[in-house]
Amino acid sequence: QSALTQPRSVSGSPGQSVTISCTGTSSDVGGYNYVSWYQQHPGKAPKFIIYDVSKRPSGVPDRFSGSKSGNTASLTISGLQAEDEADYYCCSYAGFYTEVFGTGTKVTVL
Amino acid sequence: EVQLVESGGGLVQPGGSLRLSCAASGFIFSSYWMTWVRQAPGKGLEWVANIKQDGSEKYYVDSVKGRFTISRDNAKTSLYLQMNSLRAEDTAVYYCARGVESGVDYFDYWGQGTLVTVSS
Repeated sequence: QSALTQPRSVSGSPGQSVTISCTGTSSDVGGYNYVSWYQQHPGKAPKFIIYDVSKRPSGVPDRFSGSKSGNTASLTISGLQAEDEADYYCCSYAGFYTEVFGTGTKVTVL
Repeated sequence: EVQLVESGGGLVQPGGSLRLSCAASGFIFSSYWMTWVRQAPGKGLEWVANIKQDGSEKYYVDSVKGRFTISRDNAKTSLYLQMNSLRAEDTAVYYCARGVESGVDYFDYWGQGTLVTVSS
């Protein structure tokens, strides 16, 4: 049950794209297509933005996209906007009805 | 509108106990797995426990096994977390979150969280 590895921070200018990686093992990210992503603004509860690796819930802008290759999942934010500045967490099913979150990434809009 | 409202947090001494509650509304509570997730101050999210729709299956992160118990009352549309033998490292904001009908996957609605502080 070790946390998935994410970069501590990424940054980009408005309009640019940023990608956040989420690295696990074959027992979690690599073993299942149950990766989700959450956005958290300071002092707020997390908000669900991606599920099943690449699906977007209704209401989430299509600027947010997800993908996976092997043991690494990725979240890409295209056309970065000021309101995208937040912490982002990946989460993966890890077998036996358990879940594991990533270490979290702070996105800064320059 | 789906709402999850946690309560029961507070200051407790090491070795003490606390019971968190999460009142759910706006959806058929008995149809969904439910989850507790915590976040230590300035730290990341950590999955704590899951419970199946009828309460027959419960799963925990290793660090709380034997100390925490997740439960639910579908008649009261409420989720609970009984926390015993609390340690300083259990200090965190505890969120309840809705899972999916199938059990695994994602958490689509979250409460606002309740802060638990374990300190003498």
